[in-house]
Amino acid sequence: GDSVTQTEGLVTLTKGLPVMLNCTYQTTYSPFLFWYVQHLNEAPKLLLKSSTDNKRTEHQGFYATLHKSSSSFHLQKSSVQLSDSALYFCALGTGGYKVVFGSGTRLLVSP
Amino acid sequence: NSKVIQTPRYLVKGQGQKAKMRCIPEKGHPVVFWYQQNKNNEFKFLINFQNQEVLQQIDMTEKRFSAECPSNSPCSLEIQSSEAGDSALYLCASSPQGRSYEQYFGPGTRLTVL
Repeated sequence: GDSVTQTEGLVTLTKGLPVMLNCTYQTTYSPFLFWYVQHLNEAPKLLLKSSTDNKRTEHQGFYATLHKSSSSFHLQKSSVQLSDSALYFCALGTGGYKVVFGSGTRLLVSP
Repeated sequence: NSKVIQTPRYLVKGQGQKAKMRCIPEKGHPVVFWYQQNKNNEFKFLINFQNQEVLQQIDMTEKRFSAECPSNSPCSLEIQSSEAGDSALYLCASSPQGRSYEQYFGPGTRLTVL
């Protein structure tokens, strides 16, 4: 079936450093990929979305490129800030109305 | 910012009690989803609607859970007989027409079953 894999459960970094959060997926449908960010005690918010192969999408300093050849949609930022500390979920839109979420990666940024 | 409204924010029930939570989707969004987010932050899909019609639901939902999205009223999710394992954050999300994979979440109802 359809699935999303996020390999890192926790990523800890010092502010100012670059980050990459991994996301790979499996589906037999044409994929729609998303990244959501959830700050503590807040609703998950849509951060990035893409269905176009090999096209970089950016928002709020974060960026990701959907690579259908490797079934990946990794989230990157060149310089993390303290306010980036949150849970990050990769999600896959599959056939019909179903969305499959990854297990999430907690990003902790220290001063 | 999302305009999905969920009430109440916190709900405490005893085992066997009913638990009901409500969701007002963002205006103009015809598709509504309910998820359960457990203490490990994992999302579990429960049910989704387009307008008032159920699109998909999981087996768990069919047994103790019931949900509806009546016309001109908030959507609701009700657990008929709460169990300790139901303690979680219940998230409602809505999607715009034609973009059902884009989900805009409410802040959730945190249910604690004692």
